Amino acid sequence: QQQVKQSPQSLIVQKGGISIINCAYENTAFDYFPWYQQFPGKGPALLIAIRPDVSEKKEGRFTISFNKSAKQFSLHIMDSQPGDSATYFCAASKDGATNKLIFGTGTLLAVQP
Amino acid sequence: KAGVTQTPRYLIKTRGQQVTLSCSPISGHRSVSWYQQTPGQGLQFLFEYFSETQRNKGNFPGRFSGRQFSNSRSEMNVSTLELGDSALYLCASSRRLSPNEQFFGPGTRLTVL
Repeated sequence: QQQVKQSPQSLIVQKGGISIINCAYENTAFDYFPWYQQFPGKGPALLIAIRPDVSEKKEGRFTISFNKSAKQFSLHIMDSQPGDSATYFCAASKDGATNKLIFGTGTLLAVQP
Repeated sequence: KAGVTQTPRYLIKTRGQQVTLSCSPISGHRSVSWYQQTPGQGLQFLFEYFSETQRNKGNFPGRFSGRQFSNSRSEMNVSTLELGDSALYLCASSRRLSPNEQFFGPGTRLTVL
């Protein structure tokens, strides 16, 4: 119940295309869902986050879609660029006095020029 | 505004030794969390500190410990190192103790020989 399942494990997209990464969770106590981007040799960087009271959040080329009833959320990267090539992690955190994140297993994205 | 800093960035130790890693959070951030990242297990939560108190602990053996100082800086210690402790250790900071934006440092790459 603590898991966050992420797919696909890897993804190849052409420049200008849309990259879509999906995550699913079981624990309905999860209340905060961030996405992180990690480049080799660097720590994860917060991209965008959503809470269950909204179904979609957009920041620039990055959009989170959230389906509370299905317990799924996804990251869409519009107009994907070679510089977006990185590993993406979804995560979830329970409501309450904690910042503890449960991470998905990661998606390695390669955007081909 | 300076980000999360971690020292040292790289460390090589031998089995049986102990190691101390340091994390300085973003100014004004009082919550510090530690994560272990390995290719096999992904990103796993170690522990979380707020106001010098451990608020949450992950499923790691007692060889892993930590503390937080009054200036919010944090250290983690691993005693009796094992080969399996080789990993990237990441520190993340946040303003408060509830699910919200967390910012990661670059990590400390620990290699145990």
